[in-house]
Amino acid sequence: QQQVKQSPQSLIVQKGGIPIINCAYENTAFDYFPWYQQFPGKGPALLIAIRPDVSEKKEGRFTISFNKSAKQFSLHIMDSQPGDSATYFCAASRGRNAGGTSYGKLTFGQGTILTVHP
Amino acid sequence: NAGVTQTPKFQVLKTGQSMTLQCAQDMNHEYMSWYRQDPGMGLRLIHYSVGAGITDQGEVPNGYNVSRSTTEDFPLRLLSAAPSQTSVYFCASSFLAVDTQYFGPGTRLTVL
Repeated sequence: QQQVKQSPQSLIVQKGGIPIINCAYENTAFDYFPWYQQFPGKGPALLIAIRPDVSEKKEGRFTISFNKSAKQFSLHIMDSQPGDSATYFCAASRGRNAGGTSYGKLTFGQGTILTVHP
Repeated sequence: NAGVTQTPKFQVLKTGQSMTLQCAQDMNHEYMSWYRQDPGMGLRLIHYSVGAGITDQGEVPNGYNVSRSTTEDFPLRLLSAAPSQTSVYFCASSFLAVDTQYFGPGTRLTVL
């Protein structure tokens, strides 16, 4: 059962474009929603994360938009650069406030391969 | 700090062989976990640990064993490798009080 669904599978944009990657989740107990960036041959690295008490979070050129009622969240990359070409994963978990053994069990989306052409 | 380290980087096994994937972190993180990454499926949690001596199963635990005798190390054991275990394996760690997880560089395993 895929609890976090991510789309599109792949995305090609020109330099300066604004790629948007979407994720939808099912488990209403999730309260921590990170995005990870992965370059070929490397492990995923945290890019930006959001909690459901806010609808938007910006860090540099990266923005997460969160819609709690629709159970959806998305990543926007402003002024995209060729160096942003990577695989992006959304994820969800019960965060540190959950306590117990539910903490930290990330459920990942399927991943989006982003290519930014010069 | 070296962060999260994994060995080996690449491994080829024959069906039925056993092996241990090593994971170590030098950040004094209580929480450690193992994921496998397969094309089109994202990363899936295999096992995790919230401290030395404490482990639990994740989403896809069958065919894998773990133990946590120290805070630093969290090895993943394949007792009898199967072709379905061909994957890239990632170890991750974090403080219990913080949500951010740090991933290692991965081990690419092929089972023939």
